[in-house]
Amino acid sequence: EVQLVESGGGLVQPGRSLKLSCAASGFTFSNYYMAWVRQAPTKGLEWVASITNSGGSTYYRDSVKGRFTISRDNAKSTLYLQMDSLRSEDTATYYCTRVRYYDGSTFDYWGQGVMVTVSS
Amino acid sequence: DIQMTQSPASLSASLGETVTIECLASEDIYSNLAWYQQKPGKSPQLLIYYANSLNDGVPSRFSGSGSGTQYSLKINSLQSEDVSIYFCQQNYDSPPTFGGGTKLELK
Repeated sequence: EVQLVESGGGLVQPGRSLKLSCAASGFTFSNYYMAWVRQAPTKGLEWVASITNSGGSTYYRDSVKGRFTISRDNAKSTLYLQMDSLRSEDTATYYCTRVRYYDGSTFDYWGQGVMVTVSS
Repeated sequence: DIQMTQSPASLSASLGETVTIECLASEDIYSNLAWYQQKPGKSPQLLIYYANSLNDGVPSRFSGSGSGTQYSLKINSLQSEDVSIYFCQQNYDSPPTFGGGTKLELK
């Protein structure tokens, strides 16, 4: 059974940093692209960043470029999102997602989500 | 960015009824469209990919159709467990973008 379990969320002041982790199990992690998708309170879904299966390439939405870094450790089957210079508009539930095999950016499994609140 | 517009924003239907949700892309996305279901308090789940392919384990009362810029999700014989918010998403171009969601409630 595929499982994605996020951790690392919480309350943080604007301008500070936070690092999210996502522990994956139930599939060969190193074979899949992975991504983070977020959802602001009572809002829709927004793709944040993606990473190839090897970690060799990464992709970001414009609003987080230069502030967020997606990475992975295939030996530990873990995905990360380093979030720096956080802003109030980054407040959201962050979901770790698996990208469907060879399917661009279709997200076929989602974690339970972790809440990030950016506020003073 | 490709804009995805869903309609209606909310929908109320009776058990056993058939409902249809529409999704309009701002440009041709060549059937690179997925539908997700988000039950209250839960994370989204993939229902349909490539516009009309049912994901594993999804009941056959769900179906997707469309091409070009216009797509739809149909739910036959509505069940109580279908109460959810439904999102469409294009993955033809980067960044992948989602529709605003359709909230489906029981009448």
